[in-house]
Amino acid sequence: DTGVSQDPRHKITKRGQNVTFRCDPISEHNRLYWYRQTLGQGPEFLTYFQNEAQLEKSRLLSDRFSAERPKGSFSTLEIQRTEQGDSAMYLCASSDETGIWNQPQHFGDGTRLSIL
Amino acid sequence: GDSVTQMEGPVTLSEEACLTINCTYTATGYPSLFWYVQYPGEGLQLLLKATKADDKGSNKGFEATYRKETTSFHLEKGSVQVSDSAVYFCALSESAGANSKLTFGKGITLSVRP
Repeated sequence: DTGVSQDPRHKITKRGQNVTFRCDPISEHNRLYWYRQTLGQGPEFLTYFQNEAQLEKSRLLSDRFSAERPKGSFSTLEIQRTEQGDSAMYLCASSDETGIWNQPQHFGDGTRLSIL
Repeated sequence: GDSVTQMEGPVTLSEEACLTINCTYTATGYPSLFWYVQYPGEGLQLLLKATKADDKGSNKGFEATYRKETTSFHLEKGSVQVSDSAVYFCALSESAGANSKLTFGKGITLSVRP
């Protein structure tokens, strides 16, 4: 299967700890997106990369959040000093934006973060 | 800013019933419109899309038409099956070339009973 892969699937941690998630996009997809989904809501945009460049960050992405995509392949999302409000499903998506029309984004299964 | 509004749920239907899930949007430009589906225990999957006014997206018996005059993209199916039980999200993205981030509605849960 060559879909978007996220690791881990579940993460439980204590408030104040740091966590890091990984996303492996579909091979050769040049765009990679991070979203956050809380219960009963649709996913909300956090940030995106065009190859290795991080081009936009949502205001939802506080200073405690940082994302990287070295070499334009996999990406990591780190949350420092986690808070209760960080509990959510973190989704990664990738797309191949080379044409004039928006290409569909392909989503991973997400990482569910629970803060104790 | 951009926004997507979906009808309130959940929706429960009997098998073979007709389905309509309403979706309206607000956008500054000419967005592309999408329906994503999330089956129990699975990730989001693209169901169908439309990139310009009057386009009709279709897949698995579902259809949605991009109506610019009413800023709507309602999802329809003539005869639902138990296997259609899932959460359905309407979404939009702005023009390609810029950040084509998706703006989602809240989603609606569809349950189809035998």
